[in-house]
Amino acid sequence: QVQLQESGPGLVKPSETLSLTCTVSGGSIRSYYWSWIRQPPGKGLEWIGYVYHSGDTVYNPSLKSRVTISVDTSKNQFSLKLTSVTAADTAVYYCARRTFYYGSGSYGFDYWGQGTLVTVSS
Amino acid sequence: AIQMTQSPSSLSASVGDRVTITCRASQAIRDDLGWYQQKPGKAPKLLIYGASSLQSGVPLRFSGSGSGTDFTLTISSLQPEDSATYYCLQDYDSSPAFGQGTKVEVK
Repeated sequence: QVQLQESGPGLVKPSETLSLTCTVSGGSIRSYYWSWIRQPPGKGLEWIGYVYHSGDTVYNPSLKSRVTISVDTSKNQFSLKLTSVTAADTAVYYCARRTFYYGSGSYGFDYWGQGTLVTVSS
Repeated sequence: AIQMTQSPSSLSASVGDRVTITCRASQAIRDDLGWYQQKPGKAPKLLIYGASSLQSGVPLRFSGSGSGTDFTLTISSLQPEDSATYYCLQDYDSSPAFGQGTKVEVK
């Protein structure tokens, strides 16, 4: 059973960098896309970006200038860095696996971490 | 960027009712659409991928349909455990975007 677990500071100061890591267990990080998705308190979901096991990345255009997602296949981990944070970046951050379904030729986020709340405040 | 518009934003229905949620894309996305269920304090759960394919383990009362710009999630017989917020997600242009969500209350 694949499991994902987010880790990192729960409090970040404004203008600093938010850093989170997602550890994947029960399966290999290879051959999948790995994503970060966030949800501000009481609001909807926002896709941040994803990384392939090769290191190729795609980011949400609205966050692209501040986001870096990287992968460490030796540790079965991938990470998120978000620079110059403000209160608007306060959210629950989820990591998720993006799977390609060959039968339908489409993708789905089939495994998710439990989420971690990151608060931006001085 | 492709925008996703869900309706209604919330609904209340009784156990056994048939419930329909719609999602409209700002441009055609073939069938590259998924539906997710999120309960309070929990991560979203994949229900439907490819607009109409049921994810393994998801009850058969959930179904999806549509292609192009208009999509529907149907719960054929609403159950108490279906109380949740439902999101559509387009994954057509390598920049996935969620709808704003539909909160379903079971009376």
